[in-house]
Amino acid sequence: QLVLTQSPSASASLGASVKLTCTLSSGHSSNAIAWHQQQPGTGPRYLMKLNSDGSHTKGDGIPERFSGSSSGAERYLTISSLQSEDEGDYYCQTWGTGIRVFGGGTKLTVL
Amino acid sequence: EVQLVESGGGLVKPGGSLRLSCAASGFSVSGYSMNWVRQAPGKGLEWVSSMGGIPSYIYYADSLKGRFTISRDNAKNSLYLQMSSLRAEDTAVYYCARDRGDYGDYSFDYWGQGTLVTVSS
Repeated sequence: QLVLTQSPSASASLGASVKLTCTLSSGHSSNAIAWHQQQPGTGPRYLMKLNSDGSHTKGDGIPERFSGSSSGAERYLTISSLQSEDEGDYYCQTWGTGIRVFGGGTKLTVL
Repeated sequence: EVQLVESGGGLVKPGGSLRLSCAASGFSVSGYSMNWVRQAPGKGLEWVSSMGGIPSYIYYADSLKGRFTISRDNAKNSLYLQMSSLRAEDTAVYYCARDRGDYGDYSFDYWGQGTLVTVSS
């Protein structure tokens, strides 16, 4: 079964860096994923597609502060130089034949 | 500029029906796979349905059990979601989203602002 697991919450200080994790279920460690950001009260925004080899393609207008990396079944989103507007929920998404899957989301608090 | 604008949400009684629309601009829906995703109040994102461009396919989340139907009108450049036998647990903001369109890439690269569906007596 294709499942994505995310920690429910994370926090980091203004100006610091944070690394969010999305874990693919067993047997799906080669899947690509996408990262999406949802700021409070808004619709989701595509950040990037992240491949198993760590290569990634960012969406239009996504700052350089956002980057992705991979290790085994784990996919990471690193946000550097945290700003207050980075606060919100972050979701990973993947796909299989006949199915699209979201992780449960990580709520990021910028201290 | 790519834009997706959902409409058609509102208050509906349990067992009722509703049709959501998603008007696209800046691209042709016929050339992309399109999707519906919902978000219950205070909850995470839940995939609902996907429709391929060319070649076409239609997928639904198992939890919907045949109550929802996705469709597309290429002439109106719009995507639709017909929802029937609605239940309280279908209460959510419904978003339409576009696939990036690269081969084998089903990441959702553009999203609408959402339309709220409330199922209540």
